[in-house]
Formats: sequence, C-alpha cells, structure tokens
Amino acid sequence: QTVVTQEPSFSVSPGGTVTITCGLSSGSVSTTHYPSWYQQTPGQAPRTLIYSTNTRSSGVSDRFSGSILGNKAALTITGAQADDESDYYCVLYMESDNWVFGGGTKLTVL
Amino acid sequence: EVQLLESGGGLVQPGRSLRLSCAASGFLFYNYAMTWVRQAPGKGLEWVSTVTGNGGLTYSADSVKGRFTISRDNSKNTLFLHMNNLRAEDTAVYYCAKARSWYDFDYWGQGTLVTVSS
Repeated sequence: QTVVTQEPSFSVSPGGTVTITCGLSSGSVSTTHYPSWYQQTPGQAPRTLIYSTNTRSSGVSDRFSGSILGNKAALTITGAQADDESDYYCVLYMESDNWVFGGGTKLTVL
Repeated sequence: EVQLLESGGGLVQPGRSLRLSCAASGFLFYNYAMTWVRQAPGKGLEWVSTVTGNGGLTYSADSVKGRFTISRDNSKNTLFLHMNNLRAEDTAVYYCAKARSWYDFDYWGQGTLVTVSS
C-alpha cells in the first residue's frame, strides 16, 4: 500500500521561509506523479495552491512555489505571514488511476 | 463563478445507506472529471472516488470499493456518491472537487458531514 509522507508539523517565523516535503514510502516522487498542494484552515474547504509540480493556481501569491527536491515534491513558502498558518496537503497521482494524499503538515507562524 | 454545493449528509446507522449530491454550476460540467474526497474528524484528506466527464469510467479507493459508487447526471450538473453498508470509519466530511486536469483538482465544495453511529 502506497503511503505519502509529509512532515506532521512545522514552525516558521513571520517573514521566514519554510519548505514542506511530500515523499513516497517506497520510491521517488517525480513529475509523473503530478504533485499538487492544497491549503486548509480549520472548518474550511481545501484551497488549491500548486498543481503539476510547480504551477500556481489562479490568484495564489508568488510566495508559494512548488518543486521536486531530490526524491520528493516540495512546497516552499517565502515571507511567511500570519494567515499562512494552515494545514497543507500534497496529493500524488498514481499509475493505477488513483490518488493518494499525504498526511498533512500543520504550519505554525510565530 | 464555479460553485459546488454538497448535500445529503447526516446521521445514519451502521450498515445503512446514504446518497450524497453535489450540485455544480459555473463551468461546463460534462467536460470535467469529478472527485469525492473525505476528511474524518481531526484527520487528513482521503481520496474516495473519481468519475470521468461522461460518467463512463469510475475509480475508487480500496477502502470504499464495493460499497460506494460514484455517478453523475450531466443533464442536471450533479455528482453523486451512493454509499452502502456504512461503517463507523466512514464518518467524515465529504467534499466534491472539480478536476483541473485528470491529475489534480481546482475547485472544492464546502463539504457535507456524514456521521455513522448507532
């Protein structure tokens, strides 16, 4: 069974930079997994940030960027702001036409 | 403006059935795959099922295969999730999501809560 791994939590100072990663329990993440990233605040629906590894969704700040770092997908947030405090999820497309979400990363800005 | 509005959630006993709906507007519904994603209380997101634009192909997570069926009515711009033999572990907020491409999602509904309990 495929497991997608994320850091459970991260803390960043206001104005700082943080990189959240998305890996596979077995193997490497590549662009063929079409990694995408979603932001969710408590009680709200997810919001799409990044798709196809590194393309920002409409209206998303350029402080958010996606990439492949080594064998993982990565979401980097620069110039962290208080309202970036959220849960962040990656999802990977798997060859057998199914999708697997990571467990989520809770980001604290303080 | 794209809008997705889920309905049909509620309290249901284990072993019973429930049908969720997602009313879509603001885009050419039949052109896009649609997906259900769920989130158990205090937990992360879990992909549930996806249906192609014409409804001809469906894909489901192993955790719901054989119990849940995704379908759509393109004449009514509505997505469905038929849930049978519900279990306590199916308790979650169920979101419908519009595909941006086959591989990812762009718009999400606000979700509907399903609680499975006796």
